[in-house]
Amino acid sequence: EPEVTQTPSHQVTQMGQEVILRCVPISNHLYFYWYRQILGQKVEFLVSFYNNEISEKSEIFDDQFSVERPDGSNFTLKIRSTKLEDSAMYFCASSEKVSPGQPQHFGDGTRLSIL
Amino acid sequence: AQTVTQSQPEMSVQEAETVTLSCTYDTSESNYYLFWYKQPPSRQMILVIRQEAYKQQNATENRFSVNFQKAAKSFSLKISDSQLGDTAMYFCAFMKPKRGGADGLTFGKGTHLIIQP
Repeated sequence: EPEVTQTPSHQVTQMGQEVILRCVPISNHLYFYWYRQILGQKVEFLVSFYNNEISEKSEIFDDQFSVERPDGSNFTLKIRSTKLEDSAMYFCASSEKVSPGQPQHFGDGTRLSIL
Repeated sequence: AQTVTQSQPEMSVQEAETVTLSCTYDTSESNYYLFWYKQPPSRQMILVIRQEAYKQQNATENRFSVNFQKAAKSFSLKISDSQLGDTAMYFCAFMKPKRGGADGLTFGKGTHLIIQP
């Protein structure tokens, strides 16, 4: 069964550095998402992406964050000038959305640790 | 804005028992979708079941079924004949369809379900 793949599985970065988290969505999916889960807290929506542009973003997704689909397969989340509070699990998801309410398929996540 | 509440942080049952996980939500929308996702210790979130708000019939998937009460804004998950592999975090999630765009999910805090041998 096709899967969403995320790399790396664990990223350790110094505070203030830039980090790029990578995702390969399921190949025929057109809708892409990033979520984060701070340890012990709920999964939070960051941003959704469709047709090469941001579709929706949450309050969390400020100017520090950006997303990109640099080629036909990858979907990246960039965090500029990381802060300690950016430490979290980051999940990528994708969906087909041939009709409303299609479920999203999640990757294994990237654990981001900011030191 | 939508909110999703899971009031049971942790539950523990014996193998083969039936367990019900509760979820309530708050929305002013009439058309929406509800999901239960399972997150085993391996971390990947897996879809368990999906419910369309305009369908009165409760969704079922093998041992998993929901009790969807739209008026009460309640969406509980029942797991029958629980198995050791059901041990996981279970998240309830809400989706408001976005015309022409990608719909983010609003999650509850999760319930950690432990199936005891």
